[in-house]
Amino acid sequence: AQSVTQPDIHITVSEGASLELRCNYSYGATPYLFWYVQSPGQGLQLLLKYFSGDTLVQGIKGFEAEFKRSQSSFNLRKPSVHWSDAAEYFCAVVPMGAQKLVFGQGTRLTINP
Amino acid sequence: DAGVIQSPRHEVTEMGQEVTLRCKPISGHDYLFWYRQTMMRGLELLIYFNNNVPIDDSGMPEDRFSAKMPNASFSTLKIQPSEPRDSAVYFCASSYGRGKGGELFFGEGSRLTVL
Repeated sequence: AQSVTQPDIHITVSEGASLELRCNYSYGATPYLFWYVQSPGQGLQLLLKYFSGDTLVQGIKGFEAEFKRSQSSFNLRKPSVHWSDAAEYFCAVVPMGAQKLVFGQGTRLTINP
Repeated sequence: DAGVIQSPRHEVTEMGQEVTLRCKPISGHDYLFWYRQTMMRGLELLIYFNNNVPIDDSGMPEDRFSAKMPNASFSTLKIQPSEPRDSAVYFCASSYGRGKGGELFFGEGSRLTVL
């Protein structure tokens, strides 16, 4: 079945540590790919997106993501997290030929001081 | 500039009552989306509009749910009658262009509790 999967429901890292959040998709053709962040009690904000071209994309707040076609993945990374990065992170796709943004289940990030 | 504005931010109602959620999209945006967020089901697209016309309502759970967009600056999501299982956070989002080309801008959500 077509889907977007975030394998990790909850991740805890220490402030200053590096971060990688995983996202896998299962669609016949490469969809358009997005990462959104949701702070508590807030709506979602776009971090970055990938349509084509360079497979490493830079986003806001120091985040980046790498598209790997062979692994059907679009993992989000940050070299050094800050306490303010604690939030829920959503991977999302727009399948080719579709018009709807489909979200993964989300990964909740906790930052230890 | 004002973002997407939703009201009310919180709504507590009793089962059987009518609920109306409101959304004002960002001026100039031509797409409007209604999403529902729950712990169990995550973020679900309920319906979206393009130029005030409903394009896809396949995510609307049942006939109790209806959405309208009478003009480019206003949309409503109505639940009648409401049930406890409708308790969720409802988000409105708008974009210029479709999701793949246009970034979605989300409101802060309306948290609905049906007792």
